[in-house]
Amino acid sequence: RKEVEQDPGPFNVPEGATVAFNCTYSNSASQSFFWYRQDCRKEPKLLMSVYSSGNEDGRFTAQLNRASQYISLLIRDSKLSDSATYLCVVNDDYKLSFGAGTTVTVRA
Amino acid sequence: DGGITQSPKYLFRKEGQNVTLSCEQNLNHDAMYWYRQDPGQGLRLIYYSQIVNDFQKGDIAEGYSVSREKKESFPLTVTSAQKNPTAFYLCASSMEAHEQFFGPGTRLTVL
Repeated sequence: RKEVEQDPGPFNVPEGATVAFNCTYSNSASQSFFWYRQDCRKEPKLLMSVYSSGNEDGRFTAQLNRASQYISLLIRDSKLSDSATYLCVVNDDYKLSFGAGTTVTVRA
Repeated sequence: DGGITQSPKYLFRKEGQNVTLSCEQNLNHDAMYWYRQDPGQGLRLIYYSQIVNDFQKGDIAEGYSVSREKKESFPLTVTSAQKNPTAFYLCASSMEAHEQFFGPGTRLTVL
């Protein structure tokens, strides 16, 4: 079983739509969680950290469910510029485990 | 500006050659990392270093070597023992065990 699993998508949504996707992780002792965004042929960039109580940053909302060992990301009012691959990342001490990514395409 | 730089952006290697990828950061981060990314896959950890003159193998260290002689620098050598080196190589750094910040990457192609 992979340490971090994500639905690869793609999720094709119209501008203004809401899109949500999850990732699951295998290590119940994992302490911190992140969502990164990666554009085609570019490096990953930190989108947001995920806190136990859930957190929101503008149109982005992240939730953590420790009991079921999954993390979710919700994007409201999607923009064309949100088109990217979103990487779920789990931190175990110094080592990050990356999901393969969920591709989101926002169409006009 | 603070950040992480990697060079070269593109690198071509003949079979049997060793090549070295550069990674430099001026963020004063203690920890540095090397990852490999293949199409459709997540990033896989090659090596990481928490402090100068110390580093640990990641999940796919075979065929690679690193050094950490300075806090700012963490070069990666892809040796001829790495049988499938064509990939996108990403260097990252972090303060302790916090979120990591990535350089722009090096695309290595074996001819």
